Amino acid sequence: DARVTQTPRHKVTEMGQEVTMRCQPILGHNTVFWYRQTMMQGLELLAYFRNRAPLDDSGMPKDRFSAEMPDATLATLKIQPSEPRDSAVYFCASAEGAVGYGYTFGSGTRLTVV
Amino acid sequence: KQEVTQIPAALSVPEGENLVLNCSFTDSAIYNLQWFRQDPGKGLTSLLLIQSSQREQTSGRLNASLDKSSGRSTLYIAASQPGDSATYLCAVDDTNAGKSTFGDGTTLTVKP
Repeated sequence: DARVTQTPRHKVTEMGQEVTMRCQPILGHNTVFWYRQTMMQGLELLAYFRNRAPLDDSGMPKDRFSAEMPDATLATLKIQPSEPRDSAVYFCASAEGAVGYGYTFGSGTRLTVV
Repeated sequence: KQEVTQIPAALSVPEGENLVLNCSFTDSAIYNLQWFRQDPGKGLTSLLLIQSSQREQTSGRLNASLDKSSGRSTLYIAASQPGDSATYLCAVDDTNAGKSTFGDGTTLTVKP
């Protein structure tokens, strides 16, 4: 059963530290999304890629967040420096094609910044 | 800008009851609509995907319908069970880019 793999599952870090979250999309899926979920804001789209190229990162605070796809099997989301307000669950999802045949979500990275 | 609303925000029913969850969207020019389930502390699990040319999709006890003209979708759950307790989210793709707008979800509790 194909799935999206995210690491780490949980991360606790101190304010000011760098955090890197990783995602392995489903093989053959060429669209990758990063979402953030909080109780207050629900699911927010941070960035997404098509064929490894960033298409939209307007939801991401550019001063501290960066997203990349070094290759087709790896997407990364980095926060530097991290702040307590970044505490949330970060989800990666992948999809096939431009018309969107539906998403598959990873299990998420629960980030706590203290 | 597409807006997706799910009402009610929370629903509690006794086991065995049939129920309907609602999702409405403001821009009817959509490509697809997807229903997800999220258990506490877990990720989203896809339940059903309806393409814009379709009117409904069924999987087991679940049936999702789509009425683009009225900007509405419903998720029907038959013979509800305690294991159905979760938050249900709908996601609407109107961009042809595979980028969806999510509703805030309906949290369902099925009491034994």
